[in-house]
Amino acid sequence: NAGVMQNPRHLVRRRGQEARLRCSPMKGHSHVYWYRQLPEEGLKFMVYLQKENIIDESGMPKERFSAEFPKEGPSILRIQQVVRGDSAAYFCASSTTITGGYNEQFFGPGTRLTVL
Amino acid sequence: AQTVTQSQPEMSVQEAETVTLSCTYDTSESNYYLFWYKQPPSRQMILVIRQEAYKQQNATENRFSVNFQKAAKSFSLKISDSQLGDTAMYFCAFMKNNNNDMRFGAGTRLTVKP
Repeated sequence: NAGVMQNPRHLVRRRGQEARLRCSPMKGHSHVYWYRQLPEEGLKFMVYLQKENIIDESGMPKERFSAEFPKEGPSILRIQQVVRGDSAAYFCASSTTITGGYNEQFFGPGTRLTVL
Repeated sequence: AQTVTQSQPEMSVQEAETVTLSCTYDTSESNYYLFWYKQPPSRQMILVIRQEAYKQQNATENRFSVNFQKAAKSFSLKISDSQLGDTAMYFCAFMKNNNNDMRFGAGTRLTVKP
């Protein structure tokens, strides 16, 4: 059973370009979470999605950032008009259906975004 | 809002010895979960150990154990018989019951020396 997959692993963009990060959850997982890790910091929650729905986007910047998790295909985190401050590692995690209390989140290897 | 504080940016330990990493948190919730994650140089996030707040017994996973003090809002990680492969960043994290976003501390960089 493959784990959470993210691609690309490394992404370089120039200021003003768009960055598109992909996350394929573990098989059977219908919940996806995106986190951002700035250099020398812990992970910070951005957004939580279920298939075709955004459940909680309280951690996502209001402008330039968007996320989706379509019925078919991977979850996408899109950053438009990137700036140097967007340089970070972006982690995706997935879990099974929340049945009460807690469901373990399994993390992908991350995408390291560098904005030149 | 929940905050997680790790007051030790860096620590080192000799191979085979024991080390304790500190974590404190702030919350008004009574039911929640606490975690320790390991992030080696590969940057993969690996769950080390988990503690449910309603359980008084401290969680243990092989060489890893926690000292959970709910009243003091403290959640330290003890690594026994340290191994070179334990060298990594260690993050303490908090999650409210029936919630989905984890709050992470800033991390402690642990180096195990031969």
